[in-house]
Amino acid sequence: LAKTTQPISMDSYEGQEVNITCSHNNIATNDYITWYQQFPSQGPRFIIQGYKTKVTNEVASLFIPADRKSSTLSLPRVSLSDTAVYYCLVGDLGTASKLTFGTGTRLQVTL
Amino acid sequence: DAGITQSPRYKITETGRQVTLMCHQTWSHSYMFWYRQDLGHGLRLIYYSAAADITDKGEVPDGYVVSRSKTENFPLTLESATRSQTSVYFCASSSPGTGTIQYFGAGTRLSVL
Repeated sequence: LAKTTQPISMDSYEGQEVNITCSHNNIATNDYITWYQQFPSQGPRFIIQGYKTKVTNEVASLFIPADRKSSTLSLPRVSLSDTAVYYCLVGDLGTASKLTFGTGTRLQVTL
Repeated sequence: DAGITQSPRYKITETGRQVTLMCHQTWSHSYMFWYRQDLGHGLRLIYYSAAADITDKGEVPDGYVVSRSKTENFPLTLESATRSQTSVYFCASSSPGTGTIQYFGAGTRLSVL
């Protein structure tokens, strides 16, 4: 079971870059690393997914070292609207019974 | 509307009653999931389904029953609700070949008194 560990909370000012790290020491060969964002009273929303190295899309970057035992979600120039809980999910649909989200990181962005 | 919808959004019930939470998706995704979210636990998988008529347990299946007679629907039933099942329940769907990208519904907030 690829259990994940994230910081409970982080604070940032608007306009700064935020990096949230997720530790997943027992990641399996077929596992993907997927990050979600959740606002209060809403379901989680997919942000970015990677398998190895670096992935970038229009909202975030995901850095994965060669050993894949951790990953870092990078949010460039955050705004107040990025205040949310961010979850790291490690797994694969082939072993879907083991899919478990961690407790997430609560990001608070202020002026 | 297209997407994944859950109903009801809010439900209050009493201990011992049977409750069914509904989930409907319009994408024809083969995978569907039920999670519960409690303070301090993140999201925990209850049951999932890889296709119609194929279901399997997740991390916390006790006290829940699922069925999937049609690809688009994945109801979750609490056969005899207990207070410990007070939670927010999320349904999600996914397609094979997309890693673990899941699309979530808005959730059902269930209170068992």
